[in-house]
Amino acid sequence: QSLLTQPPSVSAAPGQKVTISCSGSSSNIGNNYVSWYQQLPGTAPKVLIYEDNKRPSGIPGRFSGSKSGTSATLGITGLQTGDEADYYCGAWDSSLSAYVFGTGTKVTVL
Amino acid sequence: EVQLLESGGGLVQPGGSLRLSCAASGFTLRNYAMSWVRQAPGKGLDWVSAITASGDGTYYADSVKGRFTISRDSSKNTLYLQMNSLRAEDTALYYCAGGTVSEHWGQGTPVTVSS
Repeated sequence: QSLLTQPPSVSAAPGQKVTISCSGSSSNIGNNYVSWYQQLPGTAPKVLIYEDNKRPSGIPGRFSGSKSGTSATLGITGLQTGDEADYYCGAWDSSLSAYVFGTGTKVTVL
Repeated sequence: EVQLLESGGGLVQPGGSLRLSCAASGFTLRNYAMSWVRQAPGKGLDWVSAITASGDGTYYADSVKGRFTISRDSSKNTLYLQMNSLRAEDTALYYCAGGTVSEHWGQGTPVTVSS
């Protein structure tokens, strides 16, 4: 059972915005950085956001991350069909001394 | 160009062992923390293990602690995962990942534990 909870799915029309929540606790999100990963069908995960809100080079500004307390949020604006993928949050858990991934959210572009 | 290439996966009986390898090119493995992450068929990401850049720290998920060992050979620029006492629930695609912000991932090597 994952320690980071995400909604199973979100959807929106092309050009619209979606947000994905990631709920954790003080031992993970509350005191450690959050990363967000995108996994397109049949491919390896890719880092979209690291250290709560930073984007690696090459990741478009349509993707943004934020954090408040023990929850984090990934935002995707200007939704494109190519954004259809599974999205995961992740954070180090200080109590477990282990990294934990969220349950994953499937984004569908209507 | 950075490449991480996993190998060593396959079909193994319950209780058996496998050693996975992750060969890095265009990337000096010893300069970064490295991880193994797995994904069972149709399931989400599951972190397995990590080793610090210095190599003096190793971490494991509770589900594999005592059975799996992460290591690396700097001379070969290769990361390893020794997996012993394998169980059916270890069946998954195993990825290695690393970099400043774990921005580099391999394509994975499949492990199937079945009799």
